[in-house]
Amino acid sequence: KNEVEQSPQNLTAQEGEFITINCSYSVGISALHWLQQHPGGGIVSLFMLSSGKKKHGRLIATINIQEKHSSLHITASHPRDSAVYICAVEVNDMRFGAGTRLTVKP
Amino acid sequence: DGGITQSPKYLFRKEGQNVTLSCEQNLNHDAMYWYRQDPGQGLRLIYYSQIVNDFQKGDIAEGYSVSREKKESFPLTVTSAQKNPTAFYLCASGTGNYNEQFFGPGTRLTVL
Repeated sequence: KNEVEQSPQNLTAQEGEFITINCSYSVGISALHWLQQHPGGGIVSLFMLSSGKKKHGRLIATINIQEKHSSLHITASHPRDSAVYICAVEVNDMRFGAGTRLTVKP
Repeated sequence: DGGITQSPKYLFRKEGQNVTLSCEQNLNHDAMYWYRQDPGQGLRLIYYSQIVNDFQKGDIAEGYSVSREKKESFPLTVTSAQKNPTAFYLCASGTGNYNEQFFGPGTRLTVL
């Protein structure tokens, strides 16, 4: 079993829908990261969280340390949000989930 | 512009050949990392370097080698000893201690 589990693995949505991607982890962490990987392969960091909630534009990330769970929400989704979203946790090093492939259709 | 670059974007090699992937950053970051990404799996750490002239093995270092002669550069050599070299390779840099990392665009290596 991976230390970082993401669900769903694949997600298809219609433009405008509210999207939730989940991340569960099994180890004690110092921080959790949400990353976005575009079809070309480049990765950008979206959020770094150690508690609570962060918001950036249409993206919201939450973390519950006690339950070892984080969610990434996208409001009013758009086709340009189509990407792979990766959850990563900081332990002694960085541990990555396998990613959630999101496709938003117009 | 500040950033991290990898070259080339696509690379093809014959089996049995060593190949070196380039990673350069002008962010003045002390730490640099190499990851490998395979379909359906999370990124896995190959090597990392927290400071010039020093580097450490990650989870899957076998068949790979690195050098860190300059702060800006952290090249990765995929040797013929690496049994499954075909993958997407990502380089990252950061201020250290696995805080926020900045990723390069990646190099897709295909070994024929």
